[in-house]
Amino acid sequence: DGGITQSPKYLFRKEGQNVTLSCEQNLNHDAMYWYRQDPGQGLRLIYYSQIVNDFQKGDIAEGYSVSREKKESFPLTVTSAQKNPTAFYLCASSTPRYPGGDGYTFGSGTRLTVV
Amino acid sequence: AQTVTQSQPEMSVQEAETVTLSCTYDTSENNYYLFWYKQPPSRQMILVIRQEAYKQQNATENRFSVNFQKAAKSFSLKISDSQLGDTAMYFCAFPKGNNAGNMLTFGGGTRLMVKP
Repeated sequence: DGGITQSPKYLFRKEGQNVTLSCEQNLNHDAMYWYRQDPGQGLRLIYYSQIVNDFQKGDIAEGYSVSREKKESFPLTVTSAQKNPTAFYLCASSTPRYPGGDGYTFGSGTRLTVV
Repeated sequence: AQTVTQSQPEMSVQEAETVTLSCTYDTSENNYYLFWYKQPPSRQMILVIRQEAYKQQNATENRFSVNFQKAAKSFSLKISDSQLGDTAMYFCAFPKGNNAGNMLTFGGGTRLMVKP
């Protein structure tokens, strides 16, 4: 079955460390997205990519970096510059065509905690 | 700018009762899709229902239905015969616009508690 796999499910980061969250999809979707969700809050867009080797900053990109070397993969690195990284991170994918009746397919998320 | 507003941060309903979650949005586009997503305590985002804007008929999926008022830019979700498993955060979403492809704008969410 096609879907999106995020790993790990839980991740702990020490102060000053960079960590990378994995997101892989086998849906043949061109577009992929990273969102951050804080407790009881909505989704805030970190980065998105609509095609391989291209990506754009979202609303809260500071302290994060991404790459899109393969269509299937869109890893997110949380750098030491991100001062408050503890949050739940969701990856999603979609076909890029507007108006896009399929919406998003979401991964199951990664909970990142700073220790 | 495309915006989505969910004015009810929290709601509760008794099991087997009906509840309506509201969503208003702003767009200059003419044809688009609207979505409701559910996020249960597992935090997996699940698509509940979708509505195509140029269709007059309101979408229905089992106990879930929408009341879509295009002129008023309103897209509410009605849950009938509420079940304990409906307890979740609910997010309304729609595409940002033609130049952004299929990228969705999400509302802030409504936390729904179904009480036994």
